[in-house]
Amino acid sequence: SAVISQKPSRDICQRGTSLTIQCQVDSQVTMMFWYRQQPGQSLTLIATANQGSEATYESGFVIDKFPISRPNLTFSTLTVSNMSPEDSSIYLCSALEGNTEAFFGQGTRLTVV
Amino acid sequence: AQSVAQPEDQVNVAEGNPLTVKCTYSVSGNPYLFWYVQYPNRGLQFLLKYITGDNLVKGSYGFEAEFNKSQTSFHLKKPSALVSDSALYFCAVRDASNTGKLIFGQGTTLQVKP
Repeated sequence: SAVISQKPSRDICQRGTSLTIQCQVDSQVTMMFWYRQQPGQSLTLIATANQGSEATYESGFVIDKFPISRPNLTFSTLTVSNMSPEDSSIYLCSALEGNTEAFFGQGTRLTVV
Repeated sequence: AQSVAQPEDQVNVAEGNPLTVKCTYSVSGNPYLFWYVQYPNRGLQFLLKYITGDNLVKGSYGFEAEFNKSQTSFHLKKPSALVSDSALYFCAVRDASNTGKLIFGQGTTLQVKP
């Protein structure tokens, strides 16, 4: 199974600033995803990170707010831009290879003040 | 539209008793079903999956789940609960478009009391 390292594990940020979250997988994977878990809620998919091309965003999420990069098959970043308190959530990176289960990083707990 | 429902926000059981966490799904085509567990301040850990084959699937930490196509259910079970099983459990189904995306249920908090 893939091991996913995500950093930072947590951060407290001022509103109006941006935070970039990094996700590193210990092996090459076909697919990488970014999910958001708002306080007391389930996980919602933000986007699929596509290697070498623009990410595919889900309804309600836009590139200007959540720019994503995936320069290779093991690494991706998610930026939360122009943050507001409503962005306070846990952000989770996920990876999938073939017809298997998806694995998750430990998450980044973001608090916007 | 595909969806997953976990009808119970919380399940309480006594240590040593059997536990069941319920999950029902709605998908087009054959479902790929998963259970994950989330401990406080941790990411999601994979427990088990159903892709095809036997309806009874065994997973990590003594958990198992039974796929029931007629009832569109995939309930998580364990014969004897441990206090350390207390956590948040998510049922998920893979998107039928084969994009790898997961659709999650709302989660069920399992509380095992000594």
